[in-house]
Amino acid sequence: EVQLVESGGGLVQPGRSLRLSCAASGFPFDDYAMHWVRQVPGRGLEWVSGISWNSGSIAYADSVKGRFTISRDNAKNSLYLQMNSLRVEDTALYYCARAPGIWRLLFDYWGQGTLVTVSS
Amino acid sequence: NFMLTQPHSVSESPGKTVTISCTRSSGSIADSYVQWYHQRPGSAPTTVIYEDNQRPSGVPDRFSGSIDSSSNSASLTISGLKTEDEADYYCQSYDTTSGVVFGGGTKLTVL
Repeated sequence: EVQLVESGGGLVQPGRSLRLSCAASGFPFDDYAMHWVRQVPGRGLEWVSGISWNSGSIAYADSVKGRFTISRDNAKNSLYLQMNSLRVEDTALYYCARAPGIWRLLFDYWGQGTLVTVSS
Repeated sequence: NFMLTQPHSVSESPGKTVTISCTRSSGSIADSYVQWYHQRPGSAPTTVIYEDNQRPSGVPDRFSGSIDSSSNSASLTISGLKTEDEADYYCQSYDTTSGVVFGGGTKLTVL
C-alpha cells in the first residue's frame, strides 16, 4: 500500500525557516517523481514544487522560487522541502504527492498533509 | 501562463448525472493531459481521473473524463450520483512555462 506521511509543520514567525519531510513507503521510491502541493484551509490547491526520480529535474512555482528548495534522499525514501524567508501567505496545509513516473506533472497518490502557520 | 476555470458549484439529485467543466484559457486543452481530483472536507485529495480519461484502480466507472477541443475544455462526468460523491473536485494540467496548474475547484452538492 502506498503511504506518504508528511511531518515538520508548525508555527513559525515571518522571515524564519522550516523544513518539511515526507516519508514514503509501499512503492519503489526511486522510480517516481515527487511533488509538494499546498492548500490554504478552505481554499484551492496550489502546486509548490516537483523533483524527478534522480533529482535531475526540479521545478518551482513562481511564488516560492528562490525561497524554497526541494530535495530527496532515495536511500531514506524521503522527500524534503526547505522553506526559507517564510511569509504570512505561505500559511497552508502542505501535501506530499507522488507522480506516476520518473518526471510527470500530475499526481496519483497524496499524503494527509502537514500544517504550516506563518505568524508573528 | 494559462488558467483553468471551473464553475464554483454544481448540484444534482442522487441517481442523476452531473458534468463539471474545466476550461483552459490559452493554449490547447489537448496540449497536455488533464487530471481530476476529488476532496472531501478534512481529507486529502484523491485522483479520480488521470490522462484525460483514465480511471485509477478502485475508482468506479460512474466517473469518466473527456476533453473537447472545440470548447477548449475538459469535463468530468459522474453518473448514478451518490451522496458520497459530494465533495470538491479540482481539474489540473501543466505545461513547461506554467508548471502545474489547478482549476479553482467545484463544490458538488448531491441533494
